[in-house]
Amino acid sequence: TQLLEQSPQFLSIQEGENLTVYCNSSSVFSSLQWYRQEPGEGPVLLVTVVTGGEVKKLKRLTFQFGDARKDSSLHITAAQPGDTGLYLCAGVGAGNKLTFGGGTRVLVKP
Amino acid sequence: DTGVSQNPRHKITKRGQNVTFRCDPISEHNRLYWYRQTLGQGPEFLTYFQNEAQLEKSRLLSDRFSAERPKGSFSTLEIQRTEQGDSAMYLCASSPNRYEQYFGPGTRLTVT
Repeated sequence: TQLLEQSPQFLSIQEGENLTVYCNSSSVFSSLQWYRQEPGEGPVLLVTVVTGGEVKKLKRLTFQFGDARKDSSLHITAAQPGDTGLYLCAGVGAGNKLTFGGGTRVLVKP
Repeated sequence: DTGVSQNPRHKITKRGQNVTFRCDPISEHNRLYWYRQTLGQGPEFLTYFQNEAQLEKSRLLSDRFSAERPKGSFSTLEIQRTEQGDSAMYLCASSPNRYEQYFGPGTRLTVT
């Protein structure tokens, strides 16, 4: 069984600070995705990383995929209250079905 | 709005009752996925369809659960004889057969 573990489970920071969320897998995924979920809504895809060592930037968000394709990180620079939400990593498996981590709840206080 | 829609958004039912949820995917997306999410956890895969064919079912999907996608468009998920442990958010996602999955807002089920 492929498992994804996210850390930390909860992160509370002040506006303007930086944060990093980690996602570690017990095995290799062909690709990995990061989602953000608001309360009462479905997850929204932020990025897909495919190549080991890949780094993708989306404005203030930086995503890294480990060389061995078993871990990933999400770094947010100068966090804003609008970044508050549940961040989920998901490994893409056969049939493109997703295996999600447990999520990291981020709270950015103004 | 051309996104994934799910109905109802909320459902409260008594233990032992049957419930059915509907998912309308984005038009022309041939893949449709169902996930379940309990409070404080990430979503867990339940089943998926390519067009009308159900290609995989998770072991989480007990005999009380059944899903259909009769014409390869909308899908329904039925839970028979609901139990309190079935209380969760049921999420549907559709995909144009690429990596991207587009999630609906979910149906929150509460079994009392």
